[in-house]
Amino acid sequence: NAGVTQTPKFQVLKTGQSMTLQCAQDMNHEYMSWYRQDPGMGLRLIHYSVGAGITDQGEVPNGYNVSRSTTEDFPLRLLSAAPSQTSVYFCASRPKGQPANTEAFFGQGTRLTVV
Amino acid sequence: GEDVEQSLFLSVREGDSSVINCTYTDSSSTYLYWYKQEPGAGLQLLTYIFSNMDMKQDQRLTVLLNKKDKHLSLRIADTQTGDSAIYFCAEKKAGGYQKVTFGTGTKLQVIP
Repeated sequence: NAGVTQTPKFQVLKTGQSMTLQCAQDMNHEYMSWYRQDPGMGLRLIHYSVGAGITDQGEVPNGYNVSRSTTEDFPLRLLSAAPSQTSVYFCASRPKGQPANTEAFFGQGTRLTVV
Repeated sequence: GEDVEQSLFLSVREGDSSVINCTYTDSSSTYLYWYKQEPGAGLQLLTYIFSNMDMKQDQRLTVLLNKKDKHLSLRIADTQTGDSAIYFCAEKKAGGYQKVTFGTGTKLQVIP
């Protein structure tokens, strides 16, 4: 099993550009989430999904869109990149019956710089 | 507020015990977690404790929870150089899919 795979690992964007961060998992997990990690701060939830066709906003959703057309994929779209979106982005997944409801599987992250 | 606070840095000698501390503010937390993040990697779940427990031990790891003081700690016995990483505590509040709040992380440096 590959687990949770994120692409790309690194990306530099110009202000105003759009792009999609990819996340795929091969464990048939119902729940998937996107987080951003900024220096001196803990992870913050951007968007999450409890199953195909269902998405919802997390703590910091502005400037991002998501969709969940399949169980495996949960792409994160930046509509018009801003320097404030410079961050490390993590995708996570877990099965519906995960003990303690904890995020258990994280991707390796995408380091995004917006100039 | 709903902050989860940790000290930023901890340095220990190989073979000693490490104690990483965390304080949280929400008394309705149901679960508390410890994650480990190695350089360039995602977070790895180490252990968790339910809020009605005081202690949980898992091999070299001991989690202590003082619910009255809202204080959580992670003790790593016989710390090894491979334990060098950033450790995050997190709390999950009652209700909702994912009301998990992460701490800012404690960087553990193990000196050989």
